Amino acid sequence: QLRLQESGPGLVKPSETLSLTCTVSGASISSTSHYWGWIRQPPGKGLEWIASINYSGTTFYNPSLRSRVTISIDTSANQLSLKLTSATAADTAVYYCARPDYSSGWYPSFDYWGQGTLVTVS
Amino acid sequence: QSALTQPPAASGSPGQSVTISCIGTSSDVGGFSFVSWYQQYPGKAPQLILYEVDKWPSGVPDRFFRFSGSKSGNTASLTVHGLQAEDEATYYCSSYAGSNTVIFGGGTKLTVL
Repeated sequence: QLRLQESGPGLVKPSETLSLTCTVSGASISSTSHYWGWIRQPPGKGLEWIASINYSGTTFYNPSLRSRVTISIDTSANQLSLKLTSATAADTAVYYCARPDYSSGWYPSFDYWGQGTLVTVS
Repeated sequence: QSALTQPPAASGSPGQSVTISCIGTSSDVGGFSFVSWYQQYPGKAPQLILYEVDKWPSGVPDRFFRFSGSKSGNTASLTVHGLQAEDEATYYCSSYAGSNTVIFGGGTKLTVL
């Protein structure tokens, strides 16, 4: 069974870089053409898609975050990562990694989610 | 890209049907049949209920078969039939917005009276 587990610092200082890792178990990141994504949710607010990546490193970004975000993949570690530079209080959120069930390319819905990790910028 | 518009709250009594709307534009909801709906309980990750407007994902819990979706123009809708206490949660819509991007709605908190 696919399991996604986010990890990273729970507290980041303003202007610093927020860095998160999602460890995948139950499936190999490099074995299919799934796209793996990051989605965030500020406390008490709605969801926001951040970016997606596939095993070959093809990436898609939310235009509103593109200039500050880098998504990457480490197939040997079966992990994906997120870096968000110049963090501000507005980046305080629960960050989820997620994946569609669709395996033939990028897809705009997410069947599998991690439990999420709260990152506070303060 | 602006977030899709959902009513902040909705409610209904057990056994009733409730419909939640999700309003977008011709660049997202109206332009594509890739609307999804998610259910989220407090402190939990969202769970996919429907994709491509009205399709249930494989392996969804039986309770999600009381949920149906539709779309007309720039507005998508989620209907919950035969409301039950376990349906009390926050519901989010999302849509493909072109250029391999996706946008979400602000969420609707559903209360079962």
